[in-house]
Amino acid sequence: RKEVEQDPGPFNVPEGATVAFNCTYSNSASQSFFWYRQDCRKEPKLLMSVYSSGNEDGRFTAQLNRASQYISLLIRDSKLSDSATYLCVVNTFPTGNQFYFGTGTSLTVIP
Amino acid sequence: DTGVSQDPRHKITKRGQNVTFRCDPISEHNRLYWYRQTLGQGPEFLTYFQNEAQLEKSRLLSDRFSAERPKGSFSTLEIQRTEQGDSAMYLCASNLLGTSGTDTQYFGPGTRLTVL
Repeated sequence: RKEVEQDPGPFNVPEGATVAFNCTYSNSASQSFFWYRQDCRKEPKLLMSVYSSGNEDGRFTAQLNRASQYISLLIRDSKLSDSATYLCVVNTFPTGNQFYFGTGTSLTVIP
Repeated sequence: DTGVSQDPRHKITKRGQNVTFRCDPISEHNRLYWYRQTLGQGPEFLTYFQNEAQLEKSRLLSDRFSAERPKGSFSTLEIQRTEQGDSAMYLCASNLLGTSGTDTQYFGPGTRLTVL
C-alpha cells in the first residue's frame, strides 16, 4: 500500500469554481502535512502546511482529519493561474525522516 | 539567488555511461534530500543527508547509485552504468532540522536525465 494516495484527476473546472482535493495517508505516526504545487516541468513549491486545526490562506483552505488519516485542500474562486498539479506530502518526524509524496492531482482551470 | 541550485539542468547520455549531478542547498540548511520523479508520478525519495552523514537510503536505490555530501554543504549524486529506466527528473531539496521539528523542504529546479 502506498504511503500517500491521491486521486490523479484530471480536474477540469471553470474559472470561479470551487474545487476540492483529497489525500489519504497510511502511517498513523505521520506528524507533518503539506500541500505542494508543481507546474509543468518545474520543481514542486510549497503551497501550504496543514495544521491540526485546519488553516486558510486566501482562497486556499487545508484540513486534516487524523482519525481518518485524511487531508484535504479546497480552492475557492479558481483562477486560470491555479492550473497545476497539487501534491500531498506527509512526514513522519520524529519517528522517521522521509517525506512521502502522493502522485499529485492535476487541475486545469478553464476560461 | 539563495535558493537550492542544481547542475546540470539537463543531461543526455548513452546507456552504460556514468553521470554525476550536483546540488547546492540553501546555505543554512542541514538536511539535503535527493528524489527522482517520472512523468505522472510524485517525487520518489532516494536518500537524505544530515550535515555530511547519509542517514537513510531508499530500498529502491540500486547499488549503481551513490551520493555524497563530503563537507556538509553541496552534494553529488552519481549513477553508474546508466540504463534507460534511469531517465527521470532528479530533484534535490533541503531543509533545516531544528529543535521544534523538521521544516518544510525547498526544492531545486532539478536535473532532467535522458538515457538513450
